[in-house]
Amino acid sequence: DVKVTQSSRYLVKRTGEKVFLECVQDMDHENMFWYRQDPGLGLRLIYFSYDVKMKEKGDIPEGYSVSREKKERFSLILESASTNQTSMYLCASRQTAYEQYFGPGTRLTVT
Amino acid sequence: AQSVTQPDIHITVSEGASLELRCNYSYGATPYLFWYVQSPGQGLQLLLKYFSGDTLVQGIKGFEAEFKRSQSSFNLRKPSVHWSDAAEYFCAVGAPENYGGSQGNLIFGKGTKLSVKP
Repeated sequence: DVKVTQSSRYLVKRTGEKVFLECVQDMDHENMFWYRQDPGLGLRLIYFSYDVKMKEKGDIPEGYSVSREKKERFSLILESASTNQTSMYLCASRQTAYEQYFGPGTRLTVT
Repeated sequence: AQSVTQPDIHITVSEGASLELRCNYSYGATPYLFWYVQSPGQGLQLLLKYFSGDTLVQGIKGFEAEFKRSQSSFNLRKPSVHWSDAAEYFCAVGAPENYGGSQGNLIFGKGTKLSVKP
C-alpha cells in the first residue's frame, strides 16, 4: 500500500513563528503536492514538486515556500505564520499519470 | 481549462437507502475522473477512478460511478448506504494531455457532505 505520512496531526503555533510541515511518501513517486483545505473552499493547491529540487507555484503560494531535497520528502514552510493560515494542510503524492495519494492531514492553528 | 462542479453541498440519506452524488465537469475532451472520500479529521482516500474504457467503474466500499460524456457527468452511486459512509466526498478531474507534467494537476470540486440517518 502507498503510504503518505505527515509529521504532525495537530499543530499550534504563534503568529510570526516559522513553521515546518513535513511530508514523506514511501512509493518513489515523482510528484508531490501541498494543499490547504478550508470549509466552503475545498482543496486549494499551494505548491507542487514534479522532481527533486523542482517546484511550481499552485493557486495560493503567497506566504508559503517549499523544499524538496530528497525524492521521498516534501516540506511546506510558513516563513512567518499568520492567523489566516490556520487551516487543514494536506500532502499528496503521485506517480506520473496516476491517481494522487493523500496523507492524513495536519490541522494547524495559528494564535 | 477544466473545472468541476458538485451541485450538492450537503445530502442526508437514511441508512439502507440508495445514494447518488453528482459531479459535472467542464473539459473539451474526455478527462481523467476521480472520486475521493474524506472522513472527519482525515486525509482523502481514493474511491475510484476513470481513465478510459468501460464507462461504469467499480470502486472500494461498494461504490460505483458512471461516466456520461453527453452529460459531462461522473456521478457516484451506492445501492445501500451504511452509517460509516457519512463523510465528505470530492470529485476531481485531470487533463490527460497534461497529466504528469507541471500543468497536469487535478482540479477538485468543493465537496458534498453526506450525513446518514439511522
